Amino acid sequence: DAKTTQPTSMDCAEGRAANLPCNHSTISGNEYVYWYRQIHSQGPQYIIHGLKNNETNEMASLIITEDRKSSTLILPHATLRDTAVYYCIVRFQGGSEKLVFGKGTKLTVNP
Amino acid sequence: DAGVIQSPRHEVTEMGQEVTLRCKPISGHDYLFWYRQTMMRGLELLIYFNNNVPIDDSGMPEDRFSAKMPNASFSTLKIQPSEPRDSAVYFCASRERTYEQYFGPGTRLTVT
Repeated sequence: DAKTTQPTSMDCAEGRAANLPCNHSTISGNEYVYWYRQIHSQGPQYIIHGLKNNETNEMASLIITEDRKSSTLILPHATLRDTAVYYCIVRFQGGSEKLVFGKGTKLTVNP
Repeated sequence: DAGVIQSPRHEVTEMGQEVTLRCKPISGHDYLFWYRQTMMRGLELLIYFNNNVPIDDSGMPEDRFSAKMPNASFSTLKIQPSEPRDSAVYFCASRERTYEQYFGPGTRLTVT
């Protein structure tokens, strides 16, 4: 699975959009981009995933660049409860079941 | 649905003792995963099962660790004998065909 690079930490004001970037320049054509988050002292929580089209669900939007070398997770109206570590994972769907979690981005939403 | 259930939530034990962690996956999920999380190593996969059969145990640190899944609704992770370096939060996760893993609340293990 391709390696991902994320900023160590980010801050966001409550009510504003949080845009979390992820670089995955070595991604291959059949690898998906997954986002999970981990709120303090809880288990990781699935957010969204995509292949090449932009995706949106009730939690977030995922924007993948046309060359698929990077993506952005967007939380449209961040709340204090969105403070968490956000993990971007690239995985070949249909291959190994392993999810390789990196260090992620610590997002702090400030009041 | 109650989600993935893990027990105990906290375990404190002395070095050399046997430790058994338990997991009940979400009903209908046919994959079960055991992860370990530490500050130093982050979140790492130990082993996973498909339809109760262990598929990949390459992440199991050593022979002191063993995992079983006797039926579709129950799995255990056992450490015997335990050591202080095994102190970590252990997560169980399950999934069905949709590739989204659902994690339990974790068991915080402290070995003194």
